[in-house]
Amino acid sequence: EVQLVESGGGLIQVGGSLRLSCAASGITVSSNYMSWVRQAPGKGLEWVSIIHSSGTTYYADSVKGRFTISRDSSKDTLFLQMNSLRAEDTALYYCARAGLSKYYSGLKRGHYFDYWGQGTLVTVSS
Amino acid sequence: QSALTQPASVSGSPGQSITISCTGTSSDIGTYNYVSWYQQHPGKAPKLVIHDVSDRPSGVSNRFSGSKSGNTASLTISGLQAEDEADYYCYSYTTSSTGVFGTGTKVTVL
Repeated sequence: EVQLVESGGGLIQVGGSLRLSCAASGITVSSNYMSWVRQAPGKGLEWVSIIHSSGTTYYADSVKGRFTISRDSSKDTLFLQMNSLRAEDTALYYCARAGLSKYYSGLKRGHYFDYWGQGTLVTVSS
Repeated sequence: QSALTQPASVSGSPGQSITISCTGTSSDIGTYNYVSWYQQHPGKAPKLVIHDVSDRPSGVSNRFSGSKSGNTASLTISGLQAEDEADYYCYSYTTSSTGVFGTGTKVTVL
């Protein structure tokens, strides 16, 4: 059974830093595409970042240059380092496994989120 | 990357069918068949109900179906049941190799 458990959320001041963790069981983090998705209170889902099994990373424009996604293969853990936090970063942050489409489009292959954690809440206060 | 556009709310009576639209651009839905749909009940994590436009994961009811035409994807729920009342989000892979969610649709079972 796949389980993803996020931790590291909390109350932080504007401009501060926080590192989120996502401990995985039932899957090998380094062999999978893994992603972070966030949801502001009462709002919709927002894609944040993804790390491919190759180590290639991508970010939403809203967090590029401030957030860094990484992983620790020895601990099967995914991380999200968040710097220069803003009030608008306040959200529930979900960790998700990105399953790969069986269909190719040229050299590209899409993904979808088939396993999710329960989320960790980040509150950025001024 | 702007969010994909979904109607804020859709409603239907038990047993009816409803369709939720998801409109993107040629940078996402219009280029790839990599659209997925998620169901989210209050206080819960999202759940995958459709991937790759119309593929249904194991364990998901066959009352859920998906389609796509041009820049617009659609999720249809047939034989609407009380348990289908939830928020639904579409998601698409983009030409920048990033991802984008829809604005979300609240489904109400009357």
